[in-house]
Amino acid sequence: DIQLTQSPSFLSASVGDRVTITCRASQGIRSYLAWYQQKPGKAPNLLIYAASTLQSGVPSRFSGGGSGTEFTLTISSLQPEDFATYYCQQLNSFPITFGQGTRLEIK
Amino acid sequence: EVQVLESGGGLVQPGGSLRLSCAASGFTFSNYAMTWVRQAPGKGLEWLSEISVSGDNTYYADSVKGRFTMSRDISRKTVFLQMNSLRAEDTAVYFCAKYRSLGDGAPDRAFGVWGQGTMVTVSA
Repeated sequence: DIQLTQSPSFLSASVGDRVTITCRASQGIRSYLAWYQQKPGKAPNLLIYAASTLQSGVPSRFSGGGSGTEFTLTISSLQPEDFATYYCQQLNSFPITFGQGTRLEIK
Repeated sequence: EVQVLESGGGLVQPGGSLRLSCAASGFTFSNYAMTWVRQAPGKGLEWLSEISVSGDNTYYADSVKGRFTMSRDISRKTVFLQMNSLRAEDTAVYFCAKYRSLGDGAPDRAFGVWGQGTMVTVSA
């Protein structure tokens, strides 16, 4: 199985900050990576697919990059509504796997 | 509006069974693969299963293989998750999701639309 490791697991930041979350895969997954945002009590929401393509309706302050084994999710200027948990996901092969999550909190 | 709506969760004893349903609306159901994901209380996301567009192919996580069965009914625009031999560690919110891309195996696939989830509690 392909393991995904996100770093950091916890991040404290302020409104207006630029933050980057990293997702490392245990083996190459080409660009078959997605990023999701989840708020407490809610379903996850797709942000980025194919490593770097912004899902329709997602603000442009979110961006994704990388390929192979190392990927990033960047939020260019944090807004109050961005404080949530973020997950990466690989869809290169079964079983599909998720990273352990990165909890982003207000400093 | 594109929607998927789960139902069928509840309290069940260890060793028992439950069938979850996921009703689709607002899109051509027969063109999309579907999937189930769960989230135990306070934990992360765990992919469970996927069913292909045709329904001929299903895929499972090792944690549920042999106990859970996913199926789809095109006429009812519904997917199901039959869960047998339930254990305490199956306690979770179960989400149904629709792939964002048409067909099977698209390079730009991801879980584009999620339901609100249904809670399954396995306890004596």
